[in-house]
Amino acid sequence: AQSVTQLDSHVSVSEGTPVLLRCNYSSSYSPSLFWYVQHPNKGLQLLLKYTSAATLVKGINGFEAEFKKSETSFHLTKPSAHMSDAAEYFCVVSDRKKLVFGTGTRLLVSP
Amino acid sequence: DADVTQTPRNRITKTGKRIMLECSQTKGHDRMYWYRQDPGLGLRLIYYSFDVKDINKGEISDGYSVSRQAQAKFSLSLESAIPNQTALYFCATSDSTTTGVYQETQYFGPGTRLLVL
Repeated sequence: AQSVTQLDSHVSVSEGTPVLLRCNYSSSYSPSLFWYVQHPNKGLQLLLKYTSAATLVKGINGFEAEFKKSETSFHLTKPSAHMSDAAEYFCVVSDRKKLVFGTGTRLLVSP
Repeated sequence: DADVTQTPRNRITKTGKRIMLECSQTKGHDRMYWYRQDPGLGLRLIYYSFDVKDINKGEISDGYSVSRQAQAKFSLSLESAIPNQTALYFCATSDSTTTGVYQETQYFGPGTRLLVL
């Protein structure tokens, strides 16, 4: 069965500093991986997805993620945090028919 | 107008009551999903439907039922609500025609916050 582990429940950064949200996955076949973001009182929105093309995936709002098969990781990064990035982020793996969500990482951005 | 709408947005009910949460979409997608979100647990799939005649249980379907009234409408019912069904419920849609089945982007509604007393 496919699963994802988000290694940090909370990450705090200062505005203008880099963001790193960590995700490890488990999959018995070549996975499709996603990052979704949830802003307060909003539904989830796709940030980016990996579907076996380029291993470095660029998403919206300056985020990107790198698929590393040897490390079974799909970490999300952004060079410079903005206050509007404060939200909860979910790493997700596809189970052929459905999505399997991680438990989420809440990103806090301070001025 | 939003592509995926959910009604109501907030609901308070009592134990034992039957309630229905509704989801409508204007995206023309064939696939629809119901999830619940609990703090620290991420989203868990309750039911999903790949077309009007195809309904499937997710990982936590006990205590819930669904109805796919049309391609655009997918309702979730709690036949007899209990307090541990207090959660945030999301509807989502995806389009099977654009990419492979496990590469689809899902589009989420704004959520329904349910409190069962």
